[in-house]
Amino acid sequence: RKEVEQDPGPFNVPEGATVAFNCTYSNSASQSFFWYRQDCRKEPKLLMSVYSSGNEDGRFTAQLNRASQYISLLIRDSKLSDSATYLCVVNQGGKLIFGQGTELSVKP
Amino acid sequence: DAGVIQSPRHEVTEMGQEVTLRCKPISGHDYLFWYRQTMMRGLELLIYFNNNVPIDDSGMPEDRFSAKMPNASFSTLKIQPSEPRDSAVYFCASSYTVNQPQHFGDGTRLSIL
Repeated sequence: RKEVEQDPGPFNVPEGATVAFNCTYSNSASQSFFWYRQDCRKEPKLLMSVYSSGNEDGRFTAQLNRASQYISLLIRDSKLSDSATYLCVVNQGGKLIFGQGTELSVKP
Repeated sequence: DAGVIQSPRHEVTEMGQEVTLRCKPISGHDYLFWYRQTMMRGLELLIYFNNNVPIDDSGMPEDRFSAKMPNASFSTLKIQPSEPRDSAVYFCASSYTVNQPQHFGDGTRLSIL
């Protein structure tokens, strides 16, 4: 079993749609959690940290369920510029473990 | 503010040659990480340093790979001899603490022919 697993995608959605990404992790001792975004042929960039109480940043909402070892990312009112690969990332004692990523394509 | 700076951006070389990748972390960041990204395996951590000291090199594929951090502002990843299967994008990242988000450089796209 992979340490961090994500929906394989790709997700193809129209502009304005709401899209949700799911992620599970295997190590219950994981300490911190992030969503990164990676554009084609670019470096990963931090989208947002994920906190136990859930957190929101504009159109983006992240949730963490430690009991279920589950992380989610919700994007509302999707824009063309949201098209990218979204990486679920788990920090285990300083080591970032990346999921394989879910590709999102937002169409006009 | 300058981000993580990597060089070269692209490298194409023949198998058997030595390859050296370079990284300058963000000033003040105590942690530096080297990653490799391929289509098959995704992003993998190779090694990371804390205050210039290697902490975990369990991700280094084999003895052909070595990494150094002679000072707080410079690190190298060396492959000798290089093989075609080493072709990948190599990223360097840095962070203030071990649990803070990491900031990535633009990466080095390495092709071994």
